[in-house]
Amino acid sequence: QVQLQESGPGLVKPSETLSLTCTVSGGFISTNSWTWIRQPAGKGLEYIGRIFATGSTNYSPSLKSRVTMSVDTSKSQFSLMLRSVTAADTAMYYCVRETKDDSGYLRVDYWGQGTLVTVSS
Amino acid sequence: DIQMTQSPSSLSASVGDRVTISCRASQGISNHLAWFQQKPGKAPESLIYAASNLQSGVPSKFSGSASGTEFTLTISSLQPEDFASYYCQQYHDYPLTFGGGTKVEIK
Repeated sequence: QVQLQESGPGLVKPSETLSLTCTVSGGFISTNSWTWIRQPAGKGLEYIGRIFATGSTNYSPSLKSRVTMSVDTSKSQFSLMLRSVTAADTAMYYCVRETKDDSGYLRVDYWGQGTLVTVSS
Repeated sequence: DIQMTQSPSSLSASVGDRVTISCRASQGISNHLAWFQQKPGKAPESLIYAASNLQSGVPSKFSGSASGTEFTLTISSLQPEDFASYYCQQYHDYPLTFGGGTKVEIK
């Protein structure tokens, strides 16, 4: 059974950098793509971006200027950095696995439990 | 960006009811549509992918269908554990986008 676990500070100051890591167990990090999705309290889901084991990335255009993702296959981990955060970045952050459907398109299958990040001074 | 319009935003239903939730894409996405269930305080879980394929372990009371850019999630007989929020997501084109969600509440 694939499991994903987010870790990182729960409180970040405005203008600083949010850093989260996701540890993957029960699966091979090299065979899928890996994604971050966030959800402000009481609101909907927002796709942040994805990274492949090769290090190739796709970022949401709305966040692209502030986002960097990285992967460490030796540790079965991938990470998110979001720079210059504001209160609007306060949300539950989920790390998620993507896998190919029958047509070869990448779809979400497994979710981490999420970690709440609050941006406040 | 592809806009996903989900309706209704909320509904009240009774145990045993048949429930349908709709999701419309602003342009063609083939069948690259997924549905997720989210219970309060929990992470979303995958229900359906490719518009109508059940994720492994998901009960058959859930089903999905597609007609052009209109997609439907159906719960055949609502049970207490099904009261939750449901989201659609298109994964046809980047950036991947979600519908606004449907909260299914107890009548």
